[in-house]
Amino acid sequence: EPEVTQTPSHQVTQMGQEVILRCVPISNHLYFYWYRQILGQKVEFLVSFYNNEISEKSEIFDDQFSVERPDGSNFTLKIRSTKLEDSAMYFCASSVELGMSEAFFGQGTRLTVV
Amino acid sequence: EDQVTQSPEALRLQEGESSSLNCSYTVSGLRGLFWYRQDPGKGPEFLFTLYSAGEEKEKERLKATLTKKESFLHITAPKPEDSATYLCAVQARNTDKLIFGTGTRLQVFP
Repeated sequence: EPEVTQTPSHQVTQMGQEVILRCVPISNHLYFYWYRQILGQKVEFLVSFYNNEISEKSEIFDDQFSVERPDGSNFTLKIRSTKLEDSAMYFCASSVELGMSEAFFGQGTRLTVV
Repeated sequence: EDQVTQSPEALRLQEGESSSLNCSYTVSGLRGLFWYRQDPGKGPEFLFTLYSAGEEKEKERLKATLTKKESFLHITAPKPEDSATYLCAVQARNTDKLIFGTGTRLQVFP
């Protein structure tokens, strides 16, 4: 069964450092997303990406965040200068169609900023 | 403002004891309502998408229904392996994003 793969599963970083979270979406999917879930809180939308550009972003997705699809398979989320409040579970998702119909989520990367 | 409220926060059931989870929503033009299952430390696992009031979908012991204001996830004769957090989310028209509720944590005991 096809799946979205995220690496690493857990990342610990010092405040102010840059981190890159990686995702390999399902191969025939065209739409890609990042969500995050702070411990004990709701899953929150960060950004959607289609045709090599950002389609939509939330207020959370400020200048410290960026996304990239550097090749035909990877989709990355970069946080330039991490803050304590960036500690969360980050989920990548992908879908064939626009929107989230039958979107598949990865297992997540737990980011801990110390 | 678009929002989703799920109840109850937690639900404990005996194996075989059927029940329902509620998802109330307000959204400016519904594109779809989604149900996901989430196991601890894992990503959401897609269950159902509902698009219009009156629609119903079933999968094994789960059945999702939709009205103009809420959705129910009915669990018939649950088993311990159904224990998980069940998330409801809505998507408005002209947006890519899902707005999630806080989820219902279901525990099914043998």
